[in-house]
Amino acid sequence: QKEVEQNSGPLSVPEGAIASLNCTYSDRGSQSFFWYRQYSGKSPELIMFIYSNGDKEDGRFTAQLNKASQYVSLLIRDSQPSDSATYLCAVSPQFYFGTGTSLTVIP
Amino acid sequence: KAGVTQTPRYLIKTRGQQVTLSCSPISGHRSVSWYQQTPGQGLQFLFEYFSETQRNKGNFPGRFSGRQFSNSRSEMNVSTLELGDSALYLCASSSSNLAGEPGDFGPGTRLTVL
Repeated sequence: QKEVEQNSGPLSVPEGAIASLNCTYSDRGSQSFFWYRQYSGKSPELIMFIYSNGDKEDGRFTAQLNKASQYVSLLIRDSQPSDSATYLCAVSPQFYFGTGTSLTVIP
Repeated sequence: KAGVTQTPRYLIKTRGQQVTLSCSPISGHRSVSWYQQTPGQGLQFLFEYFSETQRNKGNFPGRFSGRQFSNSRSEMNVSTLELGDSALYLCASSSSNLAGEPGDFGPGTRLTVL
């Protein structure tokens, strides 16, 4: 079992829809959770981080954390074609990264 | 503010050689972490330095080493290169004092081993 698991996708959603990206982790000692966006040929860019159970909203992005279920998700509302990228989930303090979910937003 | 910079951006080496990669963090960031990214394995953590001390280490062989200088700049060294070391090497810097927070990534160094 990998430390951080994500569906590799590809996930396709129409423009304006909600994209839901999921991540599970195995180490109950994980404390902080990060979502990165990586465009093809570019380096990862931090979108959001979350420490506490519940939801955290930042603009069109909402991160959700459930430590009991060892589950973290990222919702992207009003998806835009510019959101098309690979989304990486990361956990600390172990520096574990998932292999990413490829998202395509169809105009 | 200036972002994380990495040099060189591209490197071609042959098996058995060694290589040194450099990372300059965002001003004021004391944590620097290094990663190897390949299509098959994704992003894998190599090590993290904080105030010139290695604070965390991933599961890579001893051929991979690093260090951090007093100005927080960091170098990564790979000795006795193997074909499988071909990858994108990324560093990230963070302003957090807490371990395990990657922070902002640099553009990466693309290493090709022939």
